[in-house]
Amino acid sequence: SAVISQKPSRDICQRGTSLTIQCQVDSQVTMMFWYRQQPGQSLTLIATANQGSEATYESGFVIDKFPISRPNLTFSTLTVSNMSPEDSSIYLCSVEDRGSPNEKLFFGSGTQLSVL
Amino acid sequence: GENVEQHPSTLSVQEGDSAVIKCTYSDSASNYFPWYKQELGKRPQLIIDIRSNVGEKKDQRIAVTLNKTAKHFSLHITETQPEDSAVYFCAASNSGGSNYKLTFGKGTLLTVNP
Repeated sequence: SAVISQKPSRDICQRGTSLTIQCQVDSQVTMMFWYRQQPGQSLTLIATANQGSEATYESGFVIDKFPISRPNLTFSTLTVSNMSPEDSSIYLCSVEDRGSPNEKLFFGSGTQLSVL
Repeated sequence: GENVEQHPSTLSVQEGDSAVIKCTYSDSASNYFPWYKQELGKRPQLIIDIRSNVGEKKDQRIAVTLNKTAKHFSLHITETQPEDSAVYFCAASNSGGSNYKLTFGKGTLLTVNP
């Protein structure tokens, strides 16, 4: 399966600032996704990171708040902009690994974000 | 869009007993149903999945069943062990084309008591 490196693993940020989270995969993958997991909650899809084009955002998430880059098939970033305490969550990148025996989705280790 | 309901939210069993977690989905076009296990502070890990062209799949102590007509699927863990204690999430996706966008259930906290 694809090996996913996500960083930072955690950060504590001040209200009004921005944080960029990086996701690096050890092989080329077609689809990369960004999820949010609020404390004690399920995972909610933020957006699909498309290589070479703008990300596709889910209802309730907008590009100005969560800009995403996908410069190539192995790397993506998610920025959480103008943060507020409500943005405190775990953010996970996920990749579709077509190289696995059955096409599957795998998750990075997550970024635990706390906003003060 | 897809909506996935998961029950129960918490489940406590004695070691050696079986555990069953159930999910329903709303989109009849969904055709891929994975289950993830998430231990405290760790990433979700895929433990088993099923596609809509089969009704049951088993991997050692873990099995998943799917009823497409009723739009529900279940996770069965037999001979539970303390290390099975974790949060389990079901999910559904329409994997047509190259889209594996998942909609998750709210999770089940499974506690296996020694």
